[in-house]
Amino acid sequence: DTGVSQDPRHKITKRGQNVTFRCDPISEHNRLYWYRQTLGQGPEFLTYFQNEAQLEKSRLLSDRFSAERPKGSFSTLEIQRTEQGDSAMYLCASSLRAPKHTEAFFGQGTRLTVV
Amino acid sequence: QQQVKQSPQSLIVQKGGISIINCAYENTAFDYFPWYQQFPGKGPALLIAIRPDVSEKKEGRFTISFNKSAKQFSLHIMDSQPGDSATYFCAAQFRGAGSYQLTFGKGTKLSVIP
Repeated sequence: DTGVSQDPRHKITKRGQNVTFRCDPISEHNRLYWYRQTLGQGPEFLTYFQNEAQLEKSRLLSDRFSAERPKGSFSTLEIQRTEQGDSAMYLCASSLRAPKHTEAFFGQGTRLTVV
Repeated sequence: QQQVKQSPQSLIVQKGGISIINCAYENTAFDYFPWYQQFPGKGPALLIAIRPDVSEKKEGRFTISFNKSAKQFSLHIMDSQPGDSATYFCAAQFRGAGSYQLTFGKGTKLSVIP
């Protein structure tokens, strides 16, 4: 078990381009979360999956954002038509569902810079 | 509406001193309060956590104090070391149902000087 893995670690893109990030959670963790962290702020919740089902989305997740977890394992977060305001660290976390609920373990994040 | 308020924004402590970070929450439905430590370029890592039915929890040099009536909790780092220099986030979570999403404070950047 190597922890939560995110790819890429860094992404620089031009405004208007689409980007996709990948998250591989800890194996057997059925809950997966995406958070966004901007400079000098704490992480903010974006969305949550239980297995393959996306059960909750924050109002921060605009229509340009879409997340998937097709087989209940890895997840992708796509941002379409990127804007400079999308520049942030995108963090993925995973945990086990209750009653064996574990703490949320975070990956190292993908730092997105939109130029 | 900021549901978890954290202070101070930054903190400088001498080696061997006590670092104290404070948080206050608004939503009384929160029932789990973890602290996370984040080093530059890394994701947050769980440090210590407390439930509101206890007033204090200690793990090594780290202690959480919890005041349910005041809706406040704090992290104390005893014998602070340069290796403790990091950003610390308090968080709150509702574990009754739903997503178990974390609501974070804005963070405290701790610098421990030799």
